[in-house]
Amino acid sequence: DAGVTQSPTHLIKTRGQHVTLRCSPISGHKSVSWYQQVLGQGPQFIFQYYEKEERGRGNFPDRFSARQFPNYSSELNVNALLLGDSALYLCASSLEGGSRPQHFGDGTRLSIL
Amino acid sequence: EDQVTQSPEALRLQEGESSSLNCSYTVSGLRGLFWYRQDPGKGPEFLFTLYSAGEEKEKERLKATLTKKESFLHITAPKPEDSATYLCAVQASGNQFYFGTGTSLTVIP
Repeated sequence: DAGVTQSPTHLIKTRGQHVTLRCSPISGHKSVSWYQQVLGQGPQFIFQYYEKEERGRGNFPDRFSARQFPNYSSELNVNALLLGDSALYLCASSLEGGSRPQHFGDGTRLSIL
Repeated sequence: EDQVTQSPEALRLQEGESSSLNCSYTVSGLRGLFWYRQDPGKGPEFLFTLYSAGEEKEKERLKATLTKKESFLHITAPKPEDSATYLCAVQASGNQFYFGTGTSLTVIP
């Protein structure tokens, strides 16, 4: 079975631009979460979605938004990019929105110039 | 404030030399504690979930335990392929997830 897939794998943007990152969960998983991981740090929680509804939100500015589609795939949008947004963005899926294990994709490496 | 602290930051072991990694946490309403392994350039790989104090889980050379304030990941007779960064995460009652900064483990043949 396919794992969590994310696209693109790498992306280069400039300050002020907008970016959309995509995630397809493991088949049968209904919950998707997004994380930001800066080099040398642990992942920081951004959002969790379950059945197309936001179920959890981390401490990120409103420039970050996400949505989940009827097929349970998800998009993370970041507006007005800053240099500090350069990071690995990870998507994780789980069977449901509770305390089930999350399974991660290999991320999108976003570089801001 | 909810937070997770992992120690040590880095650990070098000889092959076969057992040791433990620590994850201490303060969180409002623990819903679950998770251990992951992360290899360079990859996403975290799920290892264990622990839900209540006293719980233990085992998988091959790894054993995870949980108390009310901390969790340990015990590595017995490690092999070079166990080299990776080990991450601990907790889920709080508000459905937020908090990760530690990880322990970078190197196992020398």
